Amino acid sequence: GQNIDQPTEMTATEGAIVQINCTYQTSGFNGLFWYQQHAGEAPTFLSYNVLDGLEEKGRFSSFLSRSKGYSYLLLKELQMKDSASYLCAVRDDNFNKFYFGSGTKLNVKP
Amino acid sequence: GAGVSQSPSNKVTEKGKDVELRCDPISGHTALYWYRQSLGQGLEFLIYFQGNSAPDKSGLPSDRFSAERTGGSVSTLTIQRTQQEDSAVYLCASSTPSTARETQYFGPGTRLLVL
Repeated sequence: GQNIDQPTEMTATEGAIVQINCTYQTSGFNGLFWYQQHAGEAPTFLSYNVLDGLEEKGRFSSFLSRSKGYSYLLLKELQMKDSASYLCAVRDDNFNKFYFGSGTKLNVKP
Repeated sequence: GAGVSQSPSNKVTEKGKDVELRCDPISGHTALYWYRQSLGQGLEFLIYFQGNSAPDKSGLPSDRFSAERTGGSVSTLTIQRTQQEDSAVYLCASSTPSTARETQYFGPGTRLLVL
């Protein structure tokens, strides 16, 4: 089966840096995606990794190690609006399916 | 251009009734996905359509669930004889898997409550 693991909940302070980890065990791999989901809203795309290394995009960065089945999302200079759930998803070999983790709820406090 | 749209946005029904949920994907997107998200949970894959290929129904939880996609565009998810455990947000997403970086684009979801 497919297994995507993330911490359930994290709390961080406004202005700080937070790292959200994701480990995966899937039968195939063709990219790892991070999505942000505010309460009551649909997920929106944040980042994509298919090769090992770090992808930086403004305040958000995402890292991938395929050999370890591991990714993290790094959020810098946290803002209150970053309070949301962050979903890790792995796409399978045939570009067909996305397997999602249960999401990490991030609480940003003043 | 317009994003993915879903209707209705909210649906309250009685146990045992049938419901139909509609998804209108982004124009030109050949792939369409249905997911279910229970309160505070991640996304559970239900079904996947890609072009004219046979759909991947491996995520449908029971034979009460079915989906179709007409003309390669609009999709309808039907739940027959609804049960209380069917209460969830049903999300539709579309994509065009022609480039490696292409992601899914989600609709706003249909919130289903079965009483």
